[in-house]
Amino acid sequence: DGGITQSPKYLFRKEGQNVTLSCEQNLNHDAMYWYRQDPGQGLRLIYYSQIVNDFQKGDIAEGYSVSREKKESFPLTVTSAQKNPTAFYLCASSMAGNEQFFGPGTRLTVL
Amino acid sequence: AQSVTQPDIHITVSEGASLELRCNYSYGATPYLFWYVQSPGQGLQLLLKYFSGDTLVQGIKGFEAEFKRSQSSFNLRKPSVHWSDAAEYFCAVESLSANQAGTALIFGKGTTLSVSS
Repeated sequence: DGGITQSPKYLFRKEGQNVTLSCEQNLNHDAMYWYRQDPGQGLRLIYYSQIVNDFQKGDIAEGYSVSREKKESFPLTVTSAQKNPTAFYLCASSMAGNEQFFGPGTRLTVL
Repeated sequence: AQSVTQPDIHITVSEGASLELRCNYSYGATPYLFWYVQSPGQGLQLLLKYFSGDTLVQGIKGFEAEFKRSQSSFNLRKPSVHWSDAAEYFCAVESLSANQAGTALIFGKGTTLSVSS
């Protein structure tokens, strides 16, 4: 089945740690996205990538980093510079000009 | 700048009753508009989309939405709600800001739908 997978489903981070969230798609989509969701805030764009080896900052990129070395993979690293990382993180992908398909999400909690 | 407003944070509807969720957008051109649904702890599922053409669009699960340019609205409707429709609903518009790609989305803050028996 084609789709988007995110792992892990739940992730716990200690203060000062970097953590990496995985996002993989087998839809052959060119574009991939990372969103952050907080209660009552909707989804906010962190980073996006239109093609391999290229990515752009979204509205809330500070404290996050990404890479796009392969078309099917777009991992997100939450660095220690992100002061309030506890949130639900959603990865999405799309073909240009079409709707986005979302993964099941990763819930990150800072201990 | 583009923006999406969902005026209702929480709506409760009786099972079998009709539903309308409101969405207003701010956009400088003809927008691409979307409605997504999210169950607790899950990802988002696309209900329907408007790109162009007929302003009344049909989606999955019996939902429809009407694009009204004069009112900058894209309200979601369903004639008879089922208990399984209880979820959070997000309206979204394509972003064309300088910092975002043509297919990045701007989301409203969501409307939580509860269904009473």
